[in-house]
Amino acid sequence: EPEVTQTPSHQVTQMGQEVILRCVPISNHLYFYWYRQILGQKVEFLVSFYNNEISEKSEIFDDQFSVERPDGSNFTLKIRSTKLEDSAMYFCASSDQKASSYEQYFGPGTRLTVT
Amino acid sequence: GENVEQHPSTLSVQEGDSAVIKCTYSDSASNYFPWYKQELGKRPQLIIDIRSNVGEKKDQRIAVTLNKTAKHFSLHITETQPEDSAVYFCAASSSGGSYIPTFGRGTSLIVHP
Repeated sequence: EPEVTQTPSHQVTQMGQEVILRCVPISNHLYFYWYRQILGQKVEFLVSFYNNEISEKSEIFDDQFSVERPDGSNFTLKIRSTKLEDSAMYFCASSDQKASSYEQYFGPGTRLTVT
Repeated sequence: GENVEQHPSTLSVQEGDSAVIKCTYSDSASNYFPWYKQELGKRPQLIIDIRSNVGEKKDQRIAVTLNKTAKHFSLHITETQPEDSAVYFCAASSSGGSYIPTFGRGTSLIVHP
């Protein structure tokens, strides 16, 4: 069964540094998402992406964040100048969002630790 | 925007007992309600979902009920097993919101052998 993959599994960075989190969505999916989960808390939506542009974003997704689909398979989340409070698990998800299927498939996550 | 409340935050049961987790939502336009199971350190995985045109859905030991009038939905797990221990998240979404789910805060289910 196809799965969403993410790299790296764990990223440690110093405050102020830029990080890029990478995701490979399921190949025939058209909608891509990033979520964040701070330890012990609920999953929070960051951004959705369709047809090579952002379709929706939350209040969390401010100017320090950006997303890109640099080629036909990868989907990246860039955090420009990391802050301590960016430490969280970041999940990528994808869906085909056909009329009969709304399921989002989550990747295994990247644990970001900002020191 | 949508607001999803989930209760209880923790639920401890004996193996073989039933477990019920309840969620309420605020946006009457929400029409898709997935439930995710997240084992420690792993990705959320969809275990069951329900759409607003049905009131109940069952899959083996798991069932979900939806009351659109009251805006609440529940997850029922029967004959619980230790491997059911995990955090369960409910969510609500709508076509108007591009099916982006708003998650509840999660319920930590512990099944004691």
